[in-house]
Amino acid sequence: EDKVVQSPLSLVVHEGDTVTLNCSYEVTNFRSLLWYKQEKKAPTFLFMLTSSGIEKKSGRLSSILDKKELFSILNITATQTGDSAIYLCAVEQPYSGAGSYQLTFGKGTKLSVIP
Amino acid sequence: DARVTQTPRHKVTEMGQEVTMRCQPILGHNTVFWYRQTMMQGLELLAYFRNRAPLDDSGMPKDRFSAEMPDATLATLKIQPSEPRDSAVYFCASGLSTGFTEAFFGQGTRLTVV
Repeated sequence: EDKVVQSPLSLVVHEGDTVTLNCSYEVTNFRSLLWYKQEKKAPTFLFMLTSSGIEKKSGRLSSILDKKELFSILNITATQTGDSAIYLCAVEQPYSGAGSYQLTFGKGTKLSVIP
Repeated sequence: DARVTQTPRHKVTEMGQEVTMRCQPILGHNTVFWYRQTMMQGLELLAYFRNRAPLDDSGMPKDRFSAEMPDATLATLKIQPSEPRDSAVYFCASGLSTGFTEAFFGQGTRLTVV
């Protein structure tokens, strides 16, 4: 059975701290790994990773994928209260040879940044 | 600003009642997904449409859930009869069949069944 496991499930840090969120996966037919940020509403896309060892960066957020060890990390430096959210990791897989794709999500890491 | 629109945003209903959730995908998107999110299970895929045809609805309890796309601008998820364990946030996402970087989530329908 395909699975995506995120750790920790929740994390509380102080503003200015650096955090690392983990995502490991066991799936068949991997295409890519995606990170989403979910505040009160819909998940919003952060990064898509397809190749090992290539860091994706956006401001204070960065992410990298290790396809040999089957995991990815999401780093947030100099955290701010606005970073408080649930961070979701998902693996994109081809769907049944139909030329389409589906996402299998982890349960998320709830990050709380306190002033 | 293109977005996926879901209605209603919140729904409280009594056990046994029928619930219909609606989703308007982004114009031009040919794939629509329904996800359910709970604290215990996270985000689970319920149904998946491409070009209005159902590709997969194996994630849904078939006896009470049904999903349809009567036209390209409307996807519906129906629960009949509803049960308290159906309480969750239901998300619709639309995208292109070429992959998920083009997928966008709606704001969700928070369903409470009492």
